[in-house]
Amino acid sequence: GAGVSQTPSNKVTEKGKYVELRCDPISGHTALYWYRQSLGQGPEFLIYFQGTGAADDSGLPNDRFFAVRPEGSVSTLKIQRTERGDSAVYLCASSRGGQGHEQYFGPGTRLTVT
Amino acid sequence: GENVEQHPSTLSVQEGDSAVIKCTYSDSASNYFPWYKQELGKRPQLIIDIRSNVGEKKDQRIAVTLNKTAKHFSLHITETQPEDSAVYFCAAGPNDYKLSFGAGTTVTVRA
Repeated sequence: GAGVSQTPSNKVTEKGKYVELRCDPISGHTALYWYRQSLGQGPEFLIYFQGTGAADDSGLPNDRFFAVRPEGSVSTLKIQRTERGDSAVYLCASSRGGQGHEQYFGPGTRLTVT
Repeated sequence: GENVEQHPSTLSVQEGDSAVIKCTYSDSASNYFPWYKQELGKRPQLIIDIRSNVGEKKDQRIAVTLNKTAKHFSLHITETQPEDSAVYFCAAGPNDYKLSFGAGTTVTVRA
């Protein structure tokens, strides 16, 4: 079946601009996660959704970052007033709800802020 | 919060030899420890995981050990093959949901 998909695959934006990154989870997966991966580092947890609600957003670095999942499926990560330090690969993952279920990652969106 | 350290950062082994990657964690509340493999330009994929109620788990050529007292866990790959070349990440968390990842180990298997 189809895996987790993310769009766009690459995004180049100017400092100060607003960007939206989209994640389509595996059908039926109630849990969705956003991570940020900088070059040479492991993924860094940003936020976790269970259904439509953000169950844990403690990884969002500041109030410029926001994520939504209005219908419990597709999620959008929104970054306002982008800074060069926001440049990274943004990974989305999804899993079945409850304990003991693997997180399946998407291919990521490479964000470059110039 | 949880802090995961991973060693070594790079590892080169001869095909057929074993590879061992070690991780330490800081939060005693962590009880889920997955390992991910990420090939160049591709997404991370889970290869094995272990929970705190067991000390060792094996899946074919891959095994993971956990020492909760010392707060460290290790990945062992035996009989390495060229397709094992990738970046490997360990992670730790109090549950399946919130994971803290290590910085990764780049494994190169020499033919």
